[in-house]
Amino acid sequence: GQNIDQPTEMTATEGAIVQINCTYQTSGFNGLFWYQQHAGEAPTFLSYNVLDGLEEKGRFSSFLSRSKGYSYLLLKELQMKDSASYLCAVREPGGGSYIPTFGRGTSLIVHP
Amino acid sequence: DTAVSQTPKYLVTQMGNDKSIKCEQNLGHDTMYWYKQDSKKFLKIMFSYNNKELIINETVPNRFSPKSPDKAHLNLHINSLELGDSAVYFCASSQGSLGGYTFGSGTRLTVV
Repeated sequence: GQNIDQPTEMTATEGAIVQINCTYQTSGFNGLFWYQQHAGEAPTFLSYNVLDGLEEKGRFSSFLSRSKGYSYLLLKELQMKDSASYLCAVREPGGGSYIPTFGRGTSLIVHP
Repeated sequence: DTAVSQTPKYLVTQMGNDKSIKCEQNLGHDTMYWYKQDSKKFLKIMFSYNNKELIINETVPNRFSPKSPDKAHLNLHINSLELGDSAVYFCASSQGSLGGYTFGSGTRLTVV
């Protein structure tokens, strides 16, 4: 959505660490998701944050600050297969329910 | 065992035709969605159904009509196809509106 901002593209070196930022402005908040999408494939779930702080899962970690409307996805020990688009999504009230609104995604290119 | 399956994977058709995309999930989820991903990779929600009932209908032309015969299926019918309908359409499901989202592999629709 237009109120979820991520960088369009990032590049990094194999073995390095990269941080992908996401800022959001929504009328309500009920969680933030990160998804990974390889070209021509479906988005796959990476992480979910609903409380402030850091959630770690293997090489991937996600951080949330609700007061700042800010999240980041941290990828460590980058591998070539991590080259993909990373989508930030915020779940917000809509239509009497909750719907996830996606950012435009950050295309990450990992090079040797 | 595909969790969320869509058919067809590719669909090429002429302007003015009517076509349908089918989606089925075997996760036992009660909420299903249709998303459209355009050429700029922006993933935008179109519809959401909970237990066969329409709960979210974003600003989508009424040429698009979703149908949910049961909570495991959500099909998308498109009348009078236009060039601008060319995109990848993703089906997704969740348990309630507060669960995580599982996506199908997508249907690439090309209107010529």
